[in-house]
Amino acid sequence: GAVVSQHPSWVICKSGTSVKIECRSLDFQATTMFWYRQFPKQSLMLMATSNEGSKATYEQGVEKDKFLINHASLTLSTLTVTSAHPEDSSFYICSARGGVTTSYEQYFGPGTRLTVT
Amino acid sequence: DAKTTQPPSMDCAEGRAANLPCNHSTISGNEYVYWYRQIHSQGPQYIIHGLKNNETNEMASLIITEDRKSSTLILPHATLRDTAVYYCIVRTYNQGGKLIFGQGTELSVKP
Repeated sequence: GAVVSQHPSWVICKSGTSVKIECRSLDFQATTMFWYRQFPKQSLMLMATSNEGSKATYEQGVEKDKFLINHASLTLSTLTVTSAHPEDSSFYICSARGGVTTSYEQYFGPGTRLTVT
Repeated sequence: DAKTTQPPSMDCAEGRAANLPCNHSTISGNEYVYWYRQIHSQGPQYIIHGLKNNETNEMASLIITEDRKSSTLILPHATLRDTAVYYCIVRTYNQGGKLIFGQGTELSVKP
């Protein structure tokens, strides 16, 4: 199946700094990428959807100025957590979806664990 | 997208079949039933999906009722490595469909 990678797999940062997480589709072109967040013992929560070359669409309650999403190419999307605070500590998971050639299936990355101290 | 209801947890003996139910009574005609699982601290893994016919692949079987209001994921011979949270999701099969996760079923396979 299609492979999605994330980098880094884990990161620790100080409160007030910004952190960038990369998501790449390795063997297919992702017309749409999704970013999810997961707190311990909870389900995945969709944060935003981005289409290549377009601005991301954020789910209700997600601050677009805090979680900056860039989908500059068909294989790369980035999520930047700006001015991170301890409450932003979470497991961030990206997902990529191709077009008709991959039957619009959605593939998930391995996740990035962010800890803000 | 329609909402799904799953039991929060289930146990299964190793080597036995695991049958995971899902209710999706508000599913609409163009929505597919998808199953994913998430092993602790990993990204979700695709298992299987279907529209109205039963489906089988190397991982599992999916049984969808005739009225499509419920389905069952069957792991024929559960192993300890199948311990995970299983998510049943309904989604339109096109460019606009999104995977919205519910609470899922935490399956514990015991020796």
